[in-house]
Amino acid sequence: AQTVTQSQPEMSVQEAETVTLSCTYDTSESDYYLFWYKQPPSRQMILVIRQEAYKQQNATENRFSVNFQKAAKSFSLKISDSQLGDAAMYFCAYNNDMRFGAGTRLTVKP
Amino acid sequence: DSGVTQTPKHLITATGQRVTLRCSPRSGDLSVYWYQQSLDQGLQFLIQYYNGEERAKGNILERFSAQQFPDLHSELNLSSLELGDSALYFCASSPTGGFHYGYTFGSGTRLTVV
Repeated sequence: AQTVTQSQPEMSVQEAETVTLSCTYDTSESDYYLFWYKQPPSRQMILVIRQEAYKQQNATENRFSVNFQKAAKSFSLKISDSQLGDAAMYFCAYNNDMRFGAGTRLTVKP
Repeated sequence: DSGVTQTPKHLITATGQRVTLRCSPRSGDLSVYWYQQSLDQGLQFLIQYYNGEERAKGNILERFSAQQFPDLHSELNLSSLELGDSALYFCASSPTGGFHYGYTFGSGTRLTVV
């Protein structure tokens, strides 16, 4: 079965600093999409960033960027200049079987 | 407002009962997905419908069933409820049968079984 693994149940970052959340996945497919979703205390699921596997270039969205290593099947999320509003659960997702990782709880310290 | 509407927002019911959760996808989206999120857990994929037809099935219990109607809204039926069914149930939609562009999630229905 395909799996998505987030090995960091919790992470903490100082406001204005940078933090990286890890995600690895298992697949035999060559064409797929990967996503990071944010779930703040409101529990709403919010799409943060999307990466197409066939694109070499890492996706970026403002302060959010990914480090996509296709051969290593790694898809980490980097949050720069962390803000208090970034505090949330972050889920990595793989599209081909609608699977999400277990999540990483990010705390931002003022 | 994400455009995906889920009702009700909260539901409290007793063990052994049956409930129906409703989802209206974002305008133009043909696919509806149902996920279950237990307390402080990840999202478990239950089932996907695309344009009225079942497209994919995940870890959905036999006590649970779903359907998508001609107007594309979907209902998730949960029967013979157990305490362990207490969870946040999300509906999400996407334009096509795959989720290449990511889902749009509703705000969820919080089900409490007592």
